[in-house]
Amino acid sequence: GQNIDQPTEMTATEGAIVQINCTYQTSGFNGLFWYQQHAGEAPTFLSYNVLDGLEEKGRFSSFLSRSKGYSYLLLKELQMKDSASYLCAVKDSNYQLIWGAGTKLIIKP
Amino acid sequence: GAVVSQHPSWVICKSGTSVKIECRSLDFQATTMFWYRQFPKQSLMLMATSNEGSKATYEQGVEKDKFLINHASLTLSTLTVTSAHPEDSSFYICSAKLPGLASGELFFGEGSRLTVL
Repeated sequence: GQNIDQPTEMTATEGAIVQINCTYQTSGFNGLFWYQQHAGEAPTFLSYNVLDGLEEKGRFSSFLSRSKGYSYLLLKELQMKDSASYLCAVKDSNYQLIWGAGTKLIIKP
Repeated sequence: GAVVSQHPSWVICKSGTSVKIECRSLDFQATTMFWYRQFPKQSLMLMATSNEGSKATYEQGVEKDKFLINHASLTLSTLTVTSAHPEDSSFYICSAKLPGLASGELFFGEGSRLTVL
């Protein structure tokens, strides 16, 4: 079966750095997405990786290793507004999106 | 970025009634839209893929007669929850892809929170 694993919850301190991991087992791979979802709101797009390596976008970076079925989202200089759930999603061989359950990130002052 | 608008944001209805949720792509044409349901503390669950001018494709386990989807134009898809029951209470979210965008990222509507009493 297809599976996306990411930690349920993480806690970090304002101003610090946090890494949210995502491992996947899917039938084929056509890209990996990270979305941010604040409580009660719809997800918003953060990043897209289809090739191995690091994609940097401001305070957020996303890394992909296709051979390891692994990605991480790195958040730097954490702000209170970064408190949200972070969803990892993989596009499989049929271009269907397989969603992880999300990681709830709690930022403490 | 592309804008997808969903309406209503909140709806409370009595058990047995039907509720319609609209999803509009405001600044682009969306031949395909996706409807998701999300229960508290759970991830997104794809319910169906809405195709303009043709029947929607439903995921396994989703009742097509209960969740009616109509995609009558390139900018509007509607989801009607028929004969709603308390177990249908959930957060319903639509999304669309921007044509021609290589990544295929999804643009989401604001979501509609349905509470069935």
